[in-house]
Amino acid sequence: EVQLVESGGGLVQPGGSLRLSCAASGFTFSSYEMNWVRQAPGKGLEWVSYISSSGSTIYYADSVKGRFTISRDNAKNSLYLQMNSLRAEDTAVYYCARMITIAADYGMDVWGQGTTVTVSS
Amino acid sequence: QSVLTQPPSVSEAPRQRVTISCSGSSSNIGNNAVNWYQQLPGKAPKLLIYYDDLLPSGVSDRFSGSKSGTSASLAISGLQSEDEADYYCAAWDDSLNALVFGGGTKLTVL
Repeated sequence: EVQLVESGGGLVQPGGSLRLSCAASGFTFSSYEMNWVRQAPGKGLEWVSYISSSGSTIYYADSVKGRFTISRDNAKNSLYLQMNSLRAEDTAVYYCARMITIAADYGMDVWGQGTTVTVSS
Repeated sequence: QSVLTQPPSVSEAPRQRVTISCSGSSSNIGNNAVNWYQQLPGKAPKLLIYYDDLLPSGVSDRFSGSKSGTSASLAISGLQSEDEADYYCAAWDDSLNALVFGGGTKLTVL
């Protein structure tokens, strides 16, 4: 079964750090581009970051640029999001999502169940 | 304020047809593929439409997508109560170098 499972969420104080992980199974992880997408409580979807299949190309939303770092370990079938200098507005459910293999299309066809990050003192 | 503009809510009766609009610009919808997602309450989003108007395997053909210029639409025919959900459009934005989502549309089946 194709699956993505996020972990690492939790309660953290403003200014703190957290590292999210996403474990992939059931497909050839190294062949797929990946994204992190978040959703604040009661709000819409917000794209956070993209990483190419090799890890050589990375993009970030302006709201997290300079604070968050996306990475992947294809040998471990895992995607990561290192989050530093966390703010209250980073409070959200964070999803990892697999991109479809259609050129020039950023559609995401497999999503994890999400992990909740709460930034509060 | 989302880069892509969707109506906050739409409603229609069962068995009817509803359309959700998504308005963007030449740097996103006008130049890149549009995707649509369905998010049921408490669940992760599900890809409904890719490459403007294509359905992933397993998605009901009651869903259809279209695009014209800098706007896109999602149509749902034969509405059912289980279609009640939030729907989001998305596209890559060449100017922002970012994936942008619409603000989401809540569909109510009356």
